[in-house]
Amino acid sequence: GQNIDQPTEMTATEGAIVQINCTYQTSGFNGLFWYQQHAGEAPTFLSYNVLDGLEEKGRFSSFLSRSKGYSYLLLKELQMKDSASYLCAVRAPNDYKLSFGAGTTVTVRA
Amino acid sequence: DTGVSQDPRHKITKRGQNVTFRCDPISEHNRLYWYRQTLGQGPEFLTYFQNEAQLEKSRLLSDRFSAERPKGSFSTLEIQRTEQGDSAMYLCASSLQELFFGEGSRLTVL
Repeated sequence: GQNIDQPTEMTATEGAIVQINCTYQTSGFNGLFWYQQHAGEAPTFLSYNVLDGLEEKGRFSSFLSRSKGYSYLLLKELQMKDSASYLCAVRAPNDYKLSFGAGTTVTVRA
Repeated sequence: DTGVSQDPRHKITKRGQNVTFRCDPISEHNRLYWYRQTLGQGPEFLTYFQNEAQLEKSRLLSDRFSAERPKGSFSTLEIQRTEQGDSAMYLCASSLQELFFGEGSRLTVL
């Protein structure tokens, strides 16, 4: 099975940086995904890590350490529109489905 | 629009009634998933198709739930004899690599 943990809520100021941590304990691993979900909307894909290290995509970066079962999503130069839930999800080997954490609600304040 | 589409977007029904949701995936995607999401939680996996074959069903999917993908294109999710605990957002997703989600069908059982 999959056990995925992430903080419930985080608050940050516009223009600042926020790091959302995700730890996982799984029976196998074949990739870690981050999704953004605005209230009442569908999740949208942000990033994918399968090897250790940092993946950078504009203001968003995602890091993975497979040996530690740990990932983080880094949001830089925060904007009000970044207020959303951020979902960490893990894919197991030989398995195409994702198992999601409960999500971290990020609130950006002016 | 070539994204994942779901219908209806909202459904209010009385306990005991049957409901059916439809999902049209992105046309070149052969994998299709159904997830359920309740407030403050991440999406929970229900079932998954590769082409027309239903390859996995979650233990969350009681015998009141049935999903089909008869021609390997659109899919339907039927819930029979609905209960108040079935109230949730039902999300469909399709994939080649990362999952692309539809806007969801929100079910309210009175």
